[in-house]
Amino acid sequence: QLQLQESGPGLVKPSEALSLTCSVSGASISSGSYYWVWIRQPPGKGLEWIGSIFYSGSTYYNPSLKSRVTISIDTSKNHFSLKLSSVTAADTAVYYCARLTYAVAKRWFDPWGQGTLVTVSS
Amino acid sequence: QTVVTQEPSFSVSPGGTVTLTCGLSSGSVSTNYYPGWYQQTPGQAPRTLIYNTNTRSSGVPDRFSGSILGNKAALTITGAQADDESDYYCALYMGSGSWVFGGGTKVTVL
Repeated sequence: QLQLQESGPGLVKPSEALSLTCSVSGASISSGSYYWVWIRQPPGKGLEWIGSIFYSGSTYYNPSLKSRVTISIDTSKNHFSLKLSSVTAADTAVYYCARLTYAVAKRWFDPWGQGTLVTVSS
Repeated sequence: QTVVTQEPSFSVSPGGTVTLTCGLSSGSVSTNYYPGWYQQTPGQAPRTLIYNTNTRSSGVPDRFSGSILGNKAALTITGAQADDESDYYCALYMGSGSWVFGGGTKVTVL
C-alpha cells in the first residue's frame, strides 16, 4: 500500500528557508504517470497547491510562490523535497505531500501524507 | 489569477440531500478541468472522494456523486449522515501543470 510521510523542522525563523522531505513507501517514486506534489494549508484556511515534480525532475510551481520554491526528487532514496526560501509568518501552515496521477483523461491527488505543521516564528 | 469559488457553508438534515458547487471567477468548469473533490475533517489530511468529475475513489460510499451542473462542477451527497459533517474542497486543473483549490465548503449535518 502506497504511503507518504512528511518530515522536517516544525519551527523555522523568519527570512530563513523551510525544508521538508516526503518519503514514499510501497511503490517506486520513478513510476510513470505520476507527479509528486506539495500542498499546504494555513491554520483555519483552505488548501493551496505549491508545486509538482515528475521523477525526471520536471517541475511545475504555483506562480504566486514560484520565486521562492524549489522541489527536488531523489529516486535512489524514494523521496522528494520542498524548499521554500525567505519565509514569513504567512508561510505557517500544515504542509502535505501527495501523489498526483497524471494519465490520459485521469488526474487526481491520492494518496495524501498525514501532513506536518511548520510554524514560522523567531 | 483565476479564483475557484465554493459556497462557504451548507447545512443539511440527516438523510437529506445537498449539492455543493465549484465554479470559476471567469468562465465555465468542464471535464477538461478534471474536477476533484476532497473531504477533510478537523486535524486530518484530506481524503479523496471524487476525481475526473464523477469517478468515486476506492471505498467512497455511493451517496457521494460528482457531476457538471451548468457551468460548475458539483458534489452531491444523497442521504447525508452525521459523519459527512466535514469541509469539502474542490480542485481544478488550470493547464500547464497548474492546480487551484477552491476555498472549501463547511457542511453541517443537523
